[in-house]
Amino acid sequence: NAGVTQTPKFRILKIGQSMTLQCAQDMNHNYMYWYRQDPGMGLKLIYYSVGAGITDKGEVPNGYNVSRSTTEDFPLRLELAAPSQTSVYFCASTPNARFSGNTIYFGEGSWLTVV
Amino acid sequence: GDSVTQMEGPVTLSEEAFLTINCTYTATGYPSLFWYVQYPGEGLQLLLKATKADDKGSNKGFEATYRKETTSFHLEKGSVQVSDSAVYFCALSDGSGGSYIPTFGRGTSLIVHP
Repeated sequence: NAGVTQTPKFRILKIGQSMTLQCAQDMNHNYMYWYRQDPGMGLKLIYYSVGAGITDKGEVPNGYNVSRSTTEDFPLRLELAAPSQTSVYFCASTPNARFSGNTIYFGEGSWLTVV
Repeated sequence: GDSVTQMEGPVTLSEEAFLTINCTYTATGYPSLFWYVQYPGEGLQLLLKATKADDKGSNKGFEATYRKETTSFHLEKGSVQVSDSAVYFCALSDGSGGSYIPTFGRGTSLIVHP
C-alpha cells in the first residue's frame, strides 16, 4: 500500500538552482495538492489539481510550477531557488473533494534547504 | 471564506493528564471536520473525522464532537501518553460550496512528559 510517495526526502540546493519534487499516488485520486510547512507554522497551499491536465494556484505559488499530465503524478518545479523556499514540502491527495467527508492522504514530506 | 482557528501551542502535559485542544470554524456550507496528527519527521495522517452535526469521531482514545451550534470540534483524550507527543491539526472540507481546497488550522504542538 504505497499511498502518496514523494521524492527526494532531503535535498540541499544552491541559490539559483532548479529542481523538481516528485509526487505519485496509486489510489486513483483526482484531487492533488502541494503544501509547504515552515518551522512552527501551519500548511500553506502552493498549487492544486482537480484532475489530469488541470492545475490552479494556491496562496503561495510564486517561484513554483506544476504539471499534471497523468492522474498519478503531480511534480512540483522550483525555478531559481531562493533561501525563502527552505521548507518542508508535502504532497497530498483525495478521491473527490466535492464529497466533503473524504480523507486527505499525505506523503511523508520533502525537506528542502536552499543555501 | 472558510476558516479554522485552533488554540496556540505548545500544550505541555504530564503523562495520564486530560487533554483538550480547542478548534472552532467558520464555513459557508455544511462541512466535514477532521483532526490530523503529525508525528516528528512525518507527514500528516488522519486521526478522526465527523461528517455531520452531533457526530462524534473517535480513534486511539481521542474523541471530538461536531457541534454546529458552537461551530466547534474540540479534541479530547482522557489520559495522554508520551507517544501522543505530536502536532495536531484541525481541518474542514466544504465540498458543497464548490471549493476543492480543504482548510487547515495552524496546528497545536502537544508535548507529553513522563
